[in-house]
Amino acid sequence: AQTVTQSQPEMSVQEAETVTLSCTYDTSESNYYLFWYKQPPSRQMILVIRQEAYKQQNATENRFSVNFQKAAKSFSLKISDSQLGDTAMYFCALVYGSEKLVFGKGTKLTVNP
Amino acid sequence: GAGVSQSPRYKVAKRGQDVALRCDPISGHVSLFWYQQALGQGPEFLTYFQNEAQLDKSGLPSDRFFAERPEGSVSTLKIQRTQQEDSAVYLCASSRGAMNTEAFFGQGTRLTVV
Repeated sequence: AQTVTQSQPEMSVQEAETVTLSCTYDTSESNYYLFWYKQPPSRQMILVIRQEAYKQQNATENRFSVNFQKAAKSFSLKISDSQLGDTAMYFCALVYGSEKLVFGKGTKLTVNP
Repeated sequence: GAGVSQSPRYKVAKRGQDVALRCDPISGHVSLFWYQQALGQGPEFLTYFQNEAQLDKSGLPSDRFFAERPEGSVSTLKIQRTQQEDSAVYLCASSRGAMNTEAFFGQGTRLTVV
């Protein structure tokens, strides 16, 4: 069974600053994908960033980057130059093959002006 | 359409009523997933289709829940005799291939059972 744990229910950051959201996971598979999804009040899950487990290089997407530590089963998300529009729930998720996404409970991020 | 479309966006049902939730995936997407998201929680898997075949329904909480995708495109999630604990957001996601490496989500249907 695969599990995803997000230990920070809520976080806040000042506009333009940097914040890191934590995620740990457990899986017995060796080849899997990890994701961070953003869910604003509109409820639509938006893919922020994706990491393939067999790639050692950390994924980056503009202001978003991850710190992927495979041995430690850790997958944190760093948001640089935080913007008010980054305010949302953030979910870490894992998938193996064609199976279902397994989500963490989420972190509510508030960006303050 | 360009994205995954779900309808209705909001549904209020009286306890005991049957409801049907619709999902229009991105055209040509092979895989379709349904998730249930309780308030303040992450989404939890309900069921998975590859084309018209329902390959996994292990997440359906009871036999009151039923899903279908008869022609391999539009899917319907039906809940019979709704109960208060069914109140949640129901999310649909689709992905291009059999490998679920990039899922696109709809905006969900918020179901409230009163």
